Amino acid sequence: QKEVEQNSGPLSVPEGAIASLNCTYSDRGSQSFFWYRQYSGKSPELIMFIYSNGDKEDGRFTAQLNKASQYVSLLIRDSQPSDSATYLCAVGAPAGTALIFGKGTTLSVSS
Amino acid sequence: ETGVTQSPTHLIKTRGQQVTLRCSSQSGHNTVSWYQQALGQGPQFIFQYYREEENGRGNFPPRFSGLQFPNYSSELNVNALELDDSALYLCASSSGQGAGSYNEQFFGPGTRLTVL
Repeated sequence: QKEVEQNSGPLSVPEGAIASLNCTYSDRGSQSFFWYRQYSGKSPELIMFIYSNGDKEDGRFTAQLNKASQYVSLLIRDSQPSDSATYLCAVGAPAGTALIFGKGTTLSVSS
Repeated sequence: ETGVTQSPTHLIKTRGQQVTLRCSSQSGHNTVSWYQQALGQGPQFIFQYYREEENGRGNFPPRFSGLQFPNYSSELNVNALELDDSALYLCASSSGQGAGSYNEQFFGPGTRLTVL
């Protein structure tokens, strides 16, 4: 059973702080890793993807991948109240079809 | 560039009925995946269509079926609705298929299905 695990939270950080979201996955053959943001009542929005070990930065967001530890994380710098949402970690199956999602971590940024 | 669209936005059905949900893929995308998201859960993969053929299926019973059309739009059909089918149904489009395709999927706004 391929699984993606996330801490459900809520993760609470003050405005301007760094939020760190973590995710582990069970299928060692996984090749692609995604972070989606989902506001309440809305659909998931792709914010980051990473395919190789290491860090990938895009604006205030940094995705980190460690395939040996089967671990992927998302850092959000200078957190804003508008970042308050549920963050879904998704892992791409090797065959390139399904995305396996975690249950999501709820982030709350207080002003 | 047109994003992923879905219809209807909301739907209320009774147990035992049948429902059809529709999705138009993003311009330039040839692959459509369907997901079911129950409240408080992550999306669960139902199936994927690539060039009008089913290209992978999750752990859903046969009463969940689908189609993809030559213009890459897609339908999800659910027969004999059950109360547990109440969920947000998400369509995602992507380009490419198979090993080596990293499968960046972009979601539509979803259809909220309520089964009474």
